[in-house]
Amino acid sequence: GESVGLHLPTLSVQEGDNSIINCAYSNSASDYFIWYKQESGKGPQFIIDIRSNMDKRQGQRVTVLLNKTVKHLSLQIAATQPGDSAVYFCAENESVDQFYFGTGTSLTVIP
Amino acid sequence: DAGVTQSPTHLIKTRGQQVTLRCSPKSGHDTVSWYQQALGQGPQFIFQYYEEEERQRGNFPDRFSGHQFPNYSSELNVNALLLGDSALYLCASSLGRQGGAPQYFGPGTRLTVT
Repeated sequence: GESVGLHLPTLSVQEGDNSIINCAYSNSASDYFIWYKQESGKGPQFIIDIRSNMDKRQGQRVTVLLNKTVKHLSLQIAATQPGDSAVYFCAENESVDQFYFGTGTSLTVIP
Repeated sequence: DAGVTQSPTHLIKTRGQQVTLRCSPKSGHDTVSWYQQALGQGPQFIFQYYEEEERQRGNFPDRFSGHQFPNYSSELNVNALLLGDSALYLCASSLGRQGGAPQYFGPGTRLTVT
């Protein structure tokens, strides 16, 4: 299988600060990536996606950066709020139908 | 706009038994993928159904099988349950079978095998 890993398993930030969650992938053929947020006891929630022909995409308070040269993906959350506390996964699409997920980063927002 | 729904929410089974989990895709979606998520891990792809056929399969044994109905809903069946099958089973729906389509997840079914 493919390796989709995260640099840090846990991240703690102060409320109002910006958060950066990183993800490394190993398959240079991957052309589509999604960030998901998973709260305890719930299914993963789609946050934002990016295709390989882009290097940056912005949503509401979130920005995803893609560096294909070093096979690195990051999720930036602006003005982090307590409701952002969750586990964040990056998912890599390397074929028609299958996504590979990393092990996740647990984000804790300190009030 | 109805999201992805799954049933049951929780299930407890004994080793050797069989289980069936159900999923209804998001309104307008025609493709259903199933994932297994062990505690503390990311979801792992089991298989995907499109046009009532299994189109791709992950690294799971034949004990795991599925079905898709004409209304796009889907079932996941697991036979001869093992303790290691205890996990959160997630269903995700998407539109079409072309790569690069976002997948939206349901709340999952928590399966415990004793």
